[in-house]
Amino acid sequence: RKEVEQDPGPFNVPEGATVAFNCTYSNSASQSFFWYRQDCRKEPKLLMSVYSSGNEDGRFTAQLNRASQYISLLIRDSKLSDSATYLCVVNSLTGGFKTIFGAGTRLFVKA
Amino acid sequence: EAGVAQSPRYKIIEKRQSVAFWCNPISGHATLYWYQQILGQGPKLLIQFQNNGVVDDSQLPKDRFSAERLKGVDSTLKIQPAKLEDSAVYLCASSLDLTGGMKKLFFGSGTQLSVL
Repeated sequence: RKEVEQDPGPFNVPEGATVAFNCTYSNSASQSFFWYRQDCRKEPKLLMSVYSSGNEDGRFTAQLNRASQYISLLIRDSKLSDSATYLCVVNSLTGGFKTIFGAGTRLFVKA
Repeated sequence: EAGVAQSPRYKIIEKRQSVAFWCNPISGHATLYWYQQILGQGPKLLIQFQNNGVVDDSQLPKDRFSAERLKGVDSTLKIQPAKLEDSAVYLCASSLDLTGGMKKLFFGSGTQLSVL
């Protein structure tokens, strides 16, 4: 089983739609969580951290469920510019501090 | 603030040749990472440095890959000899060590390697 798993998609949604991605992680000792965005042929860039209480940044909402070991990202009112790959990232302190990336979920927002 | 610098941006070599990549992290970032990203996959950690010491190199193919971070600042990643399956983007990242285990990574533009 992969340490961090994501649905690869692609998710094809119209502008204005609400879309949600989930990510599951296998290490219960994982400590911190992030969502990164990666545009085609570009490097990953931090989108937002994920806090236990859930957090929101504009149209983006991230949530963490430690009991079920998953995190989620909700995008409201999708824009064309949201088209990208969304990478789930988990930091774990097991045999040293590790930062593990999921394979990413591809999102296409259509006009 | 200057970001993570990487060079070269692109490299094309033949199999069995050698290649080296260079990375200069953001000033003050103690942790430096090298990731390999194959097309359609997420980044895979090759090696992680804390200052000039190796924290994790468990997924580094040590028979052909090597990396160093002399003086705890910039770093080089070398492949010798290269194989076809090494074709990928090699991403360097650095991070501040924040409290509570939060490590926010900042990536360079990457080096796209094609092995023919």
